[in-house]
Amino acid sequence: DAGVTQSPTHLIKTRGQQVTLRCSPISGHKSVSWYQQVLGQGPQFIFQYYEKEERGRGNFPDRFSARQFPNYSSELNVNALLLGDSALYLCASTPNVGELFFGEGSRLTVL
Amino acid sequence: SQQGEEDPQALSIQEGENATMNCSYKTSINNLQWYRQNSGRGLVHLILIRSNEREKHSGRLRVTLDTSKKSSSLLITASRAADTASYFCATDAWDDKIIFGKGTRLHILP
Repeated sequence: DAGVTQSPTHLIKTRGQQVTLRCSPISGHKSVSWYQQVLGQGPQFIFQYYEKEERGRGNFPDRFSARQFPNYSSELNVNALLLGDSALYLCASTPNVGELFFGEGSRLTVL
Repeated sequence: SQQGEEDPQALSIQEGENATMNCSYKTSINNLQWYRQNSGRGLVHLILIRSNEREKHSGRLRVTLDTSKKSSSLLITASRAADTASYFCATDAWDDKIIFGKGTRLHILP
């Protein structure tokens, strides 16, 4: 079975631009969570979706938004990019609660 | 914000020695989990311990949980070069959000 897949793996944007990151969960997993990991820090919780509904939101500005589709895949959008948004963005899926299964991440560099 | 705080921030030991990492957290939890991350990669789940459990084993891993002290420890026995990685504790509370600590960077010396 395929694990969690994320795309793109790397991308470079300039300040003020917008970015969309994509995530496909493990087959059968209905919950997707997004994390931001700045170099040298632990993952910071951004969003959790379950059955297409937002279940939780972390302490991030409204420039960050996400959605989950009927096939349980998810997108994370970040508008008006800042230099500080440069990070590894991790997607994780889970059947409902408990163990998270992570993808390899999308590394975003904002210039 | 971080819920858990790992200690130490960094640890270097000789191959074959045991490595112990600690995690403290602030609020009541349902479960506590430990994850490993190789440099710049995705996180890999190691072990989950429930709030009503005190100790759990998985291969060379031993996890303890003390809910009265709001702390957990991860012991890796007979360390190997492949254990070099960052280790994170993660807690989930009443709202099921899983929150990670800042991690311990473990380096196994040959």
